[in-house]
Amino acid sequence: AQSVTQPDIHITVSEGASLELRCNYSYGATPYLFWYVQSPGQGLQLLLKYFSGDTLVQGIKGFEAEFKRSQSSFNLRKPSVHWSDAAEYFCAVGSTSGSARQLTFGSGTQLTVLP
Amino acid sequence: EAGVVQSPRYKIIEKKQPVAFWCNPISGHNTLYWYLQNLGQGPELLIRYENEEAVDDSQLPKDRFSAERLKGVDSTLKIQPAELGDSAVYLCASSQQGADTQYFGPGTRLTVL
Repeated sequence: AQSVTQPDIHITVSEGASLELRCNYSYGATPYLFWYVQSPGQGLQLLLKYFSGDTLVQGIKGFEAEFKRSQSSFNLRKPSVHWSDAAEYFCAVGSTSGSARQLTFGSGTQLTVLP
Repeated sequence: EAGVVQSPRYKIIEKKQPVAFWCNPISGHNTLYWYLQNLGQGPELLIRYENEEAVDDSQLPKDRFSAERLKGVDSTLKIQPAELGDSAVYLCASSQQGADTQYFGPGTRLTVL
């Protein structure tokens, strides 16, 4: 069965600093990988996804992620964090069940941005 | 285009009472998901519908939880009776059939006293 580990429960960065959120996955085949963001009281919003091809994926809000098969990782990065990026970030791995994707989420990383 | 709509946004009930959550998916999305999100955790799938058929309900605690999607559009998730441990956020998501991206609603935060 697939699983996702987000080793960092909470990360604090200063506004303007760079950011990297870690994600490690376990999946037997080529994974489908996602990063979602959840602001307080909001649903999850898709930041980016990787299915195949270029291992560096660009997403919304200036985020990018790099798929590294050798390390079973899909880390999320942003070169310069904005105060509005403070939220909880979830990495997920997708598997195929019939005609749909099943998502398995990590436990999330809470991002605090200092002024 | 409207996103996934859920109601109510917040619900406080006493234990042993029934409660129901409603979800309206994005128009044209055949696949609908209900997730449970405990505090400090990622969402966990409870049930998935393809149109009106529940195709994956293996994680739904069927002794107290039930769900329906009678016309293949709106869906209702019910808990009867609620227990203290059911306090959580219940998320609804939808996707086009066979699509890779799920779109999430804002969730219903349930507090059981």
